[in-house]
Amino acid sequence: AQRVTQPEKLLSVFKGAPVELKCNYSYSGSPELFWYVQYSRQRLQLLLRHISRESIKGFTADLNKGETSFHLKKPFAQEEDSAMYYCALSGNSGGYQKVTFGTGTKLQVIP
Amino acid sequence: DAGVIQSPRHEVTEMGQEVTLRCKPISGHDYLFWYRQTMMRGLELLIYFNNNVPIDDSGMPEDRFSAKMPNASFSTLKIQRTQQEDSAVYLCARSSTSREDTQYFGPGTRLTVL
Repeated sequence: AQRVTQPEKLLSVFKGAPVELKCNYSYSGSPELFWYVQYSRQRLQLLLRHISRESIKGFTADLNKGETSFHLKKPFAQEEDSAMYYCALSGNSGGYQKVTFGTGTKLQVIP
Repeated sequence: DAGVIQSPRHEVTEMGQEVTLRCKPISGHDYLFWYRQTMMRGLELLIYFNNNVPIDDSGMPEDRFSAKMPNASFSTLKIQRTQQEDSAVYLCARSSTSREDTQYFGPGTRLTVL
């Protein structure tokens, strides 16, 4: 079974402060991990993928297989970062792709 | 629009009624997913299809929920005898075969059961 845990429902930080959104996973194989974001009144969209090893809007995420974590980080939070963030794992289930999302963390950046 | 259209965008119904939610993905993507989104439980996978065939419906909460995908460009999620706890945003998403591929989401249908 695959599982994604986001321990924080709400994270409030001041503008300019560092941000870390936590994500832990459970999966027996090699995981494909993603962060999705949903801004107010917009549809859910991809923020970044672990396989791309990219930085999007100043956010990065490193896969730590030892700790089974994929935390999302940004050194200096901006007001426009306020949104709902979901961590997701894409695994293999019986030969088919299966995606599991965490319960999400609402990031609130205080001006 | 990410290639996924959902209708209606908002649905208000009374308890006990039946609702049908619709999703139109761009064809050519093998997978289609239905999710339920609430503040309490986040994003829950209800069911997903591969090449129009239901693969895993273990997330469907009760047999009041059913989903179909008659062709590559259309899917429905039907909820019978609706209850107030069914109030949520229902999202449809598409992706390709590859595990590394992104999921592309529709705008969702906000269901309110009075």
